[in-house]
Amino acid sequence: RKEVEQDPGPFNVPEGATVAFNCTYSNSASQSFFWYRQDCRKEPKLLMSVYSSGNEDGRFTAQLNRASQYISLLIRDSKLSDSATYLCVVNIPNTGNQFYFGTGTSLTVIP
Amino acid sequence: DAGVIQSPRHEVTEMGQEVTLRCKPISGHNSLFWYRQTMMRGLELLIYFNNNVPIDDSGMPEDRFSAKMPNASFSTLKIQPSEPRDSAVYFCASSIPSYEQYFGPGTRLTVT
Repeated sequence: RKEVEQDPGPFNVPEGATVAFNCTYSNSASQSFFWYRQDCRKEPKLLMSVYSSGNEDGRFTAQLNRASQYISLLIRDSKLSDSATYLCVVNIPNTGNQFYFGTGTSLTVIP
Repeated sequence: DAGVIQSPRHEVTEMGQEVTLRCKPISGHNSLFWYRQTMMRGLELLIYFNNNVPIDDSGMPEDRFSAKMPNASFSTLKIQPSEPRDSAVYFCASSIPSYEQYFGPGTRLTVT
């Protein structure tokens, strides 16, 4: 079983739409959670960390549900520039600080 | 802060040749990770180091791959001999334990 599971998509949404991605993780010892964004032919870059109480950064909202072991990312008012692959990442300290990446969800925002 | 530095950015080599990829982590980060990414297999962890010590190399494909971290500011990933199926983008990343990882720009390797 994979440590992190994501719906690969693709998600094709019109500009201005709201889109949500979910990700589930299997290890209850997971401690830190992140969303990364990867543009075509570029390296993954941190989009935002995910805190237990949920957190917001402009149009982006991340939430964590420890009981159900999933995290989510909500993008409001989608822009063309949001088109990318979004990777869910968990860190499990008792594995020696290893990070586990989901396979990514592809988003295309259409004009 | 210069971020994670990788070299070369692009490498084209012939099958059977030795390839060495280099990485300089962010100063103060004591965890370093090597990943490989392809369209078919996505992002795969090859090996990672904590405080210059290899912790998990179970992702290293086979004996042709080796990685070293002689000091806190430098790591290499070596492929010898290289094969066409090794063609991929190789990323190096660094972090402080439990904090986010920062990726280098990657090395795009093509083995013909």
